[in-house]
Formats: sequence, structure tokens, C-alpha cells
Amino acid sequence: AQTVTQSQPEMSVQEAETVTLSCTYDTSESDYYLFWYKQPPSRQMILVIRQEAYKQQNATENRFSVNFQKAAKSFSLKISDSQLGDAAMYFCAYRTYGGATNKLIFGTGTLLAVQP
Amino acid sequence: SQTIHQWPATLVQPVGSPLSLECTVEGTSNPNLYWYRQAAGRGLQLLFYSVGIGQISSEVPQNLSASRPQDRQFILSSKKLLLSDSGFYLCAWSVYTGNTEAFFGQGTRLTVV
Repeated sequence: AQTVTQSQPEMSVQEAETVTLSCTYDTSESDYYLFWYKQPPSRQMILVIRQEAYKQQNATENRFSVNFQKAAKSFSLKISDSQLGDAAMYFCAYRTYGGATNKLIFGTGTLLAVQP
Repeated sequence: SQTIHQWPATLVQPVGSPLSLECTVEGTSNPNLYWYRQAAGRGLQLLFYSVGIGQISSEVPQNLSASRPQDRQFILSSKKLLLSDSGFYLCAWSVYTGNTEAFFGQGTRLTVV
């Protein structure tokens, strides 16, 4: 069974600085998708960035980028130029490739605080 | 455009009472559907997912069950609630295949007293 692990329950960063959130996963599949979601206090889940496992190039979305290491099963999120609005719970997620199983599983989350 | 509706937003139920949470999706067909539970300050635990009508996969043995009576309707139920069933319940949908994101409902805060 697939698992997703986020080893940092809480992180803190100064405004305008850079922070990296860690995520590791375990799977026997070769094709899958990885995501980072943000959950602000409103509890609404917001997609931050996605990565296809068959792509070697790391995904980037403005100030957000990932470091995808397939062999190490690692998928970290880097937030550059942190802003107060980035404060939220961040979840790493794994989705099976498709077919009969379309599981989408999440890690336990990292609560990010942004200090002014 | 696609939308997802989840209700009710909050619910207070006594121990031993039944539960029914409903989730419906509009603007798409044959979606994957998911139920998650989030305990306070914790991660999202996948409870059930469905790839089609009547097809339910259970991830965690528990006091809950799910049903998908129609293509875009997903229902979470319990015959007798336990205190441990309290939490924040989220419904989500995604396209059947591909790297598209999952879209989440607004959630239901369930308190069992």
C-alpha cells in the first residue's frame, strides 16, 4: 500500500525568506502523480503544484517549486519570497495513475507559520 | 463549470444516532469521488473512494459506510455514531484519469456528543 510521510509537523519562516517542506512516499508503482495542497484557516483545500512521476523536470508555479527525486521517493516543496498569505497547513499527496484504483492519499501535513 | 456541494456544514449528533452526509458534483460525468476525515490539527485520512456507481473502496475499517447511488452523488453514513467519529469530513472529486487536481467541498464539521 502507498504511504505519504511529512516529517515536519510545524515550520516557521520569516517573510521574504525561503522555506522547504519535506515529503517522502512509498510505492511500488512506476507511474503516479504527486501534489502539494494548501489548507488555510478557512479549511478550503487549494492546489499549489503538481508533478507527474514520468517527468524528470521539476514543476514550478511562480514562487513555488518542487524537488522531485524519484529514486529516493522524495517530493519537497520550496516556497521562495514567503508572504504572510502563505501561512497555512500544507499537505503532500499521492495519486495512483488510474484504472481501477484511483486512490488519492495525503500526508499528515506541515503547519507553516510566516513571521513578519 | 464543475461544482461540488457538500452538506450540512456543521452537525451535532448524539452518540448512537445515525449519520448521513451527502456530496454531489455538477458539470462533469463519471468522476472519482472521495471521502476524507480530518481530526483537529491532523492530516486527511482517506475513508472511501469510488470510481463508479456502486463501486466503493474502503480504506479504513470503521463505523462508517459509503454509497454511490448515482454517478455524481456520494453519501457517507453510519448506523450508530461513536464519540470517535467526531471530526471534519471532506468530500472531493477528480477526473477519472490524468494528473488533474482533486476538487474539495466545503467540509462538514461533525461533533458527536
